Order: sequence, then C-alpha cells, then structure tokens
Amino acid sequence: NAGVMQNPRHLVRRRGQEARLRCSPMKGHSHVYWYRQLPEEGLKFMVYLQKENIIDESGMPKERFSAEFPKEGPSILRIQQVVRGDSAAYFCASSPGGARTDTQYFGPGTRLTVL
Amino acid sequence: GESVGLHLPTLSVQEGDNSIINCAYSNSASDYFIWYKQESGKGPQFIIDIRSNMDKRQGQRVTVLLNKTVKHLSLQIAATQPGDSAVYFCAENIFGNEKLTFGTGTRLTIIP
Repeated sequence: NAGVMQNPRHLVRRRGQEARLRCSPMKGHSHVYWYRQLPEEGLKFMVYLQKENIIDESGMPKERFSAEFPKEGPSILRIQQVVRGDSAAYFCASSPGGARTDTQYFGPGTRLTVL
Repeated sequence: GESVGLHLPTLSVQEGDNSIINCAYSNSASDYFIWYKQESGKGPQFIIDIRSNMDKRQGQRVTVLLNKTVKHLSLQIAATQPGDSAVYFCAENIFGNEKLTFGTGTRLTIIP
C-alpha cells in the first residue's frame, strides 16, 4: 500500500520561473494538505483541499501561489515567478477525511531551491 | 499569539536510556495533539496522538502525557535506540479547524 507520493523530490528554479509540485495522496484518501518547512523550523500550514475544492487556504500567500486537487490526478501546488525566499521543503499530507482527528500522513517532500 | 513551542531545541541521550521531549501550547482551544518524527531528508512520520479528554496514551516504546492545567505535552521514548535519532515535532489541532500547527522541533541524538 503506497504512501503519499510527491514529485519531484528536488526542484531547482531560477528567479522568475514557475515551480509545480505534485502530490498523490494515499489510496482511499480524499483530503490533501500542503505545508512548507524552512531549514531548522517546523512545518507551516499552507492549504487544505478536498477533491475539486479548496477548503482552507489561510496559510497560502495571496500572490503567486495556487493549489488544486482535480477530480482525476494528483494535487498540484504551483508557485509562479519564484523568488529566493520560496526556497524550502514543501510537504504534502493526506487523510481519509470524514473525521476531524484523522491522522495526516506525510509524503517525502519536494525540496525547492531558487537560484 | 497562539503557538505551539518546545522547551529544548536539542537533546542527547545514551542508547538504552529513556528520553523525554517536552512541548508547551498556549491555545486552550486545542483539543488534539500529535507527535511526529522527522529524519533527515524525509517527511514527518506519525508517532502517537492524544485527545484532550485523555491524560496519557501509550504506544510501542512511546508514551504521550497531556497536562491541560499547564498546557503541557510530553513524549517519552523508552529504551532509546540509534534509530530514534531525529527531530521530533508536536502539533496541535483546534476544534473546527483541520490544519495542524507545528512547534519548532527538538533534535534528539542517541549516543551509542
């Protein structure tokens, strides 16, 4: 039973380029969460999605960042016109949904480096 | 502001000894807490959770204690092993809100 999958694992972009991060939740999970982690810090919530719906994007920067979780396919976190401050590890988590205390299972993360 | 924080950023423990990692939270509305383990280059791994209607919960070699009076959470790891070396995060969940709020983490090093 595969866990949460993220790709790419490492992504290098130059300032001004776009970054696309993908997340495939665990089988049977319909809730996806994105978190960002700076070096030596804890994870910071960005956005919570269910299939075709953004439920909570209170942690997402207002500009340049967007997320989607289409009916088919992985969830995508998109960062437009990247800046050096976007360099971080981005983690996706998934849960079955339905119960508030569903455990969130994390993927291995995508490490974004902006040159 | 409301936050989840840790008392100690680093902890070194002799292999075989027990370790205790502490966490303080300030939001009295928090009612669900989780401990995650993160090894270098990997994502957080669920260890154990506890709801606010409980004071203690045990797993395999781990115990989580919750003291709501002083808003304190601890993770006890028994008979530590080299594989326990990692950064440990506590996280909280507030009723009505799905997102997790993480503390800054404690780096646990097991000394052979």
